Amino acid sequence: NAGVMQNPRHLVRRRGQEARLRCSPVKGHSHVYWYRQLPEEGLKFMVYLQKENIIDESGMPKERFSAEFPKEGPSILRIQQVVRGDSAAYFCASSPGKGVNTGELFFGEGSRLTVL
Amino acid sequence: GENVEQHPSTLSVQEGDSAVIKCTYSDSASNYFPWYKQELGKRPQLIIDIRSNVGEKKDQRIAVTLNKTAKHFSLHITETQPEDSAVYFCAASLSNTDKLIFGTGTRLQVFP
Repeated sequence: NAGVMQNPRHLVRRRGQEARLRCSPVKGHSHVYWYRQLPEEGLKFMVYLQKENIIDESGMPKERFSAEFPKEGPSILRIQQVVRGDSAAYFCASSPGKGVNTGELFFGEGSRLTVL
Repeated sequence: GENVEQHPSTLSVQEGDSAVIKCTYSDSASNYFPWYKQELGKRPQLIIDIRSNVGEKKDQRIAVTLNKTAKHFSLHITETQPEDSAVYFCAASLSNTDKLIFGTGTRLQVFP
């Protein structure tokens, strides 16, 4: 079974451009989480999604950031009009969700965004 | 909301010695406490976890203890090896969600 797949692994954008990060969860997992990790820092929760629903976006900046997890296809984290402070590693994780309640999150390898 | 504090931020030990990392959490409803290891440039990987109905759990050289009353939990690594060198994160989650709140991480260096 494939794990959590993220792409691109590395993305370079100039200030003002858009960044789109994609995440395909573990097969059969219905819950996706996005975390941001600044250099030399911890993992900061951004958003938690189920198929076609945003469950918790309390960690998401109010402007320029959006996330979706459509019925078909990967979850997308979109950052509009990027600024240098957006440079970070963005990790996606998935879990089977409630009912299975293993608690464990399975992380992808991350997408490293560099804003020039 | 839940807040997780982790100490120390860096830890250096000699190979063969033990390492202890401590975390505290704020929300008494938290019931799941995993520890993740992250090597440089890699994804975080679960190494051990504990639930609130258990006080201690051990897996070979690593163990985790939980004190619900004091709301703190600790990771213990015995007989450390150079390959244990990494950043370790503790985390806590509530019973009705798989959302994890992470500590700030501990950079462990094991010197041969």
